[in-house]
Amino acid sequence: DQQVKQNSPSLSVQEGRISILNCDYTNSMFDYFLWYKKYPAEGPTFLISISSIKDKNEDGRFTVFLNKSAKHLSLHIVPSQPGDSAVYFCAARLYGNNRLAFGKGNQVVVIP
Amino acid sequence: ETGVTQSPTHLIKTRGQQVTLRCSSQSGHNTVSWYQQALGQGPQFIFQYYREEENGRGNFPPRFSGLQFPNYSSELNVNALELDDSALYLCASSRTGTNEKLFFGSGTQLSVL
Repeated sequence: DQQVKQNSPSLSVQEGRISILNCDYTNSMFDYFLWYKKYPAEGPTFLISISSIKDKNEDGRFTVFLNKSAKHLSLHIVPSQPGDSAVYFCAARLYGNNRLAFGKGNQVVVIP
Repeated sequence: ETGVTQSPTHLIKTRGQQVTLRCSSQSGHNTVSWYQQALGQGPQFIFQYYREEENGRGNFPPRFSGLQFPNYSSELNVNALELDDSALYLCASSRTGTNEKLFFGSGTQLSVL
């Protein structure tokens, strides 16, 4: 059963514009959320995270928003750059647990 | 600082065989987690090792087993391979047993024929 869901498997965006990736979750006991980025033939790399006690976290061009009541989070990339072309995974940690539940990923293509 | 390294990068096995995948954790990390990523899916947690003991397990059968060594490196063993075991196997290390920020290796692509 998929506790972390990423719809819209692929996204194409023009360089310089905003990329918005969405993620929904079903388990209200998740207490920490992360985004990972994956290039082909490489492992996922940590991008940005947010604790469930916050509603926004920003790191340079990347901002993650959390809406706990809607069980929804989103990743904003502004401005998008060609090097951002990758698969982005949303992940969540269950409170008191030591494992991450991942979504299926979103393919982002940034067009120069 | 040495990152997470996995070997081999690719492997082809036949149904019923056994396989061992290896992982060296990042310098200073004492916890190793293994994930399976099937085609078109996100990584699925297999298990985690901390201080050479299994520290949590996902929904995988007992034929998936592991080890962690005193230098924090780790092995994933899969017995009686099935076609559905074909996937990318990712190893991730972290500093503590509950650290959510994982550092992943590039993975081992396993094909079972």
